[in-house]
Amino acid sequence: GNSVTQMEGPVTLSEEAFLTINCTYTATGYPSLFWYVQYPGEGLQLLLKATKADDKGSNKGFEATYRKETTSFHLEKGSVQVSDSAVYFCALPLTDSWGKLQFGAGTQVVVTP
Amino acid sequence: DTGVSQDPRHKITKRGQNVTFRCDPISEHNRLYWYRQTLGQGPEFLTYFQNEAQLEKSRLLSDRFSAERPKGSFSTLEIQRTEQGDSAMYLCASARDPERFYEQYFGPGTRLTVT
Repeated sequence: GNSVTQMEGPVTLSEEAFLTINCTYTATGYPSLFWYVQYPGEGLQLLLKATKADDKGSNKGFEATYRKETTSFHLEKGSVQVSDSAVYFCALPLTDSWGKLQFGAGTQVVVTP
Repeated sequence: DTGVSQDPRHKITKRGQNVTFRCDPISEHNRLYWYRQTLGQGPEFLTYFQNEAQLEKSRLLSDRFSAERPKGSFSTLEIQRTEQGDSAMYLCASARDPERFYEQYFGPGTRLTVT
């Protein structure tokens, strides 16, 4: 079945540093790919998505490109802020899913001033 | 749009007791999902509804778990005879069907601790 693997955290960065969180997937076909974010004390929020190969999703300064050659969907941000401290989850639909999502284990990001 | 709400936010119960959680989705969303999240892991799918119909249940959902969504509005998740292994965060999410059911809006979760 479909699955994702993402890099372990925590990732600790200084403000204005470059952030990359690796995500690789195994899937049947070319499903949509997602990044969700969970800020402290809040529910998960959809951060960005890509629906087909070579698509780039972007939101709030974050970007991720759907690369079928490397089966990857790495999340990047050029200059992080303290407010970006959160847990980030890569996700894709479960096989024959009708909306069911398979999430990675999450990567905690801590940005220090 | 008031977002997805869940009640209670925290529940501590003794092993063997029954607990019930409530989820109120975004009003125009007809898809509703329940997930379970344990520490250091991503959410795991439990079950989902389209309107009032429960369309699928994960094998993670033992017969001690039951979920309902009467009238296609709010949903409840009941756990009978709780076990310590049930301790987790229970998340509810809703989505608009049919085209955007992967864009799920999550509630803050109910954290269950079974002692």
